Amino acid sequence: GQNIDQPTEMTATEGAIVQINCTYQTSGFNGLFWYQQHAGEAPTFLSYNVLDGLEEKGRFSSFLSRSKGYSYLLLKELQMKDSASYLCAVMDSNYQLIWGAGTKLIIKP
Amino acid sequence: ETGVTQSPTHLIKTRGQQVTLRCSSQSGHNTVSWYQQALGQGPQFIFQYYREEENGRGNFPPRFSGLQFPNYSSELNVNALELDDSALYLCASSLVDREFGANVLTFGAGSRLTVL
Repeated sequence: GQNIDQPTEMTATEGAIVQINCTYQTSGFNGLFWYQQHAGEAPTFLSYNVLDGLEEKGRFSSFLSRSKGYSYLLLKELQMKDSASYLCAVMDSNYQLIWGAGTKLIIKP
Repeated sequence: ETGVTQSPTHLIKTRGQQVTLRCSSQSGHNTVSWYQQALGQGPQFIFQYYREEENGRGNFPPRFSGLQFPNYSSELNVNALELDDSALYLCASSLVDREFGANVLTFGAGSRLTVL
């Protein structure tokens, strides 16, 4: 079966750095996405990785290791507005997205 | 760009009833996908339409059906509603992102269905 694992919940402090991990087992791989979802709102696109390595985009970075089936999302200089759920999704061999359950990130002052 | 819009935003139905949810895709997007998201869970893929044809389906029974129209708007129909159908239903249209070369989904705000 296909599986995406990420921690259920994480807590971090405003101004700090947090890393949200995602491991996956899917039938084929055509890229990995990270989305942010605030409570009661739609998911919004954050990043995409298809090759190994780090992609940096402002305060957010995403890393991929295809051989390990592993990715992480790194958030720097945390702000209160970063409190949200972060969803990891992998595009499989049929170009369908398989989603993790999401990691709820709580930012404390 | 007007984004992806969905209607209704909230609705309540009873077991056995039927429901139709509607979605207007973002301008220029010709692929639309529907997802079911239960509370505290990630989205579950229902199906996808490309140029009015179903182009992939997740693990949902036939009572979940859909349509895509020539203007790329779409409907999700669910028959014989069950209590477990209570969820947020998300519509997403997609376009290849020029920066990443990937098919990035743009989601609507969703329709929250409660089945009593």
